[in-house]
Amino acid sequence: EDQVTQSPEALRLQEGESSSLNCSYTVSGLRGLFWYRQDPGKGPEFLFTLYSAGEEKEKERLKATLTKKESFLHITAPKPEDSATYLCAVQAPNTGNQFYFGTGTSLTVIP
Amino acid sequence: DAGVIQSPRHEVTEMGQEVTLRCKPISGHNSLFWYRQTMMRGLELLIYFNNNVPIDDSGMPEDRFSAKMPNASFSTLKIQPSEPRDSAVYFCASSTGDGGNQPQHFGDGTRLSIL
Repeated sequence: EDQVTQSPEALRLQEGESSSLNCSYTVSGLRGLFWYRQDPGKGPEFLFTLYSAGEEKEKERLKATLTKKESFLHITAPKPEDSATYLCAVQAPNTGNQFYFGTGTSLTVIP
Repeated sequence: DAGVIQSPRHEVTEMGQEVTLRCKPISGHNSLFWYRQTMMRGLELLIYFNNNVPIDDSGMPEDRFSAKMPNASFSTLKIQPSEPRDSAVYFCASSTGDGGNQPQHFGDGTRLSIL
């Protein structure tokens, strides 16, 4: 069964139009939830790690939050350079170092 | 600091040929992961190593796929014989985690096309 589900699959925003991406997970005993950004032709670039419900992390226009069932990546006043695919991954207990990745949200920010 | 280095960046070959993908992890990282990414299935873990030892290869699709890590600074993923359905982007990642919950850092991948 799916461990990680991301929504929406694709999102188009006007520059400056804030929004949120969702990552829902079904693992219990979460060891960590990871957000990545992937640009075309590149590997995923690490953004944040969240470990426990209620935790928040921020970087420039991005803010990641975590609950017991999902994580949100909030994008405030996005710019065209924020256009990319955003991936989340979870690490479950008893799986060693394995990550389970969602299929990503493709974000396009229109000038 | 140098990131994860993969080579070649692109590979085009005919079906039946042997393909070898190479990866140099970040110095000091003791876990290494091979992934395959396609539009249909996203990122799939193929195999991962901890301290040069294969820990879980359950994601390796068939016996045609094999991976080695002869030392802490080098790993290969080999496909022999290759088939058109192996066409994908293959990523290598490394992390410092022994017990986990450390981020994985990815290379820029090898785009493989099997004709």
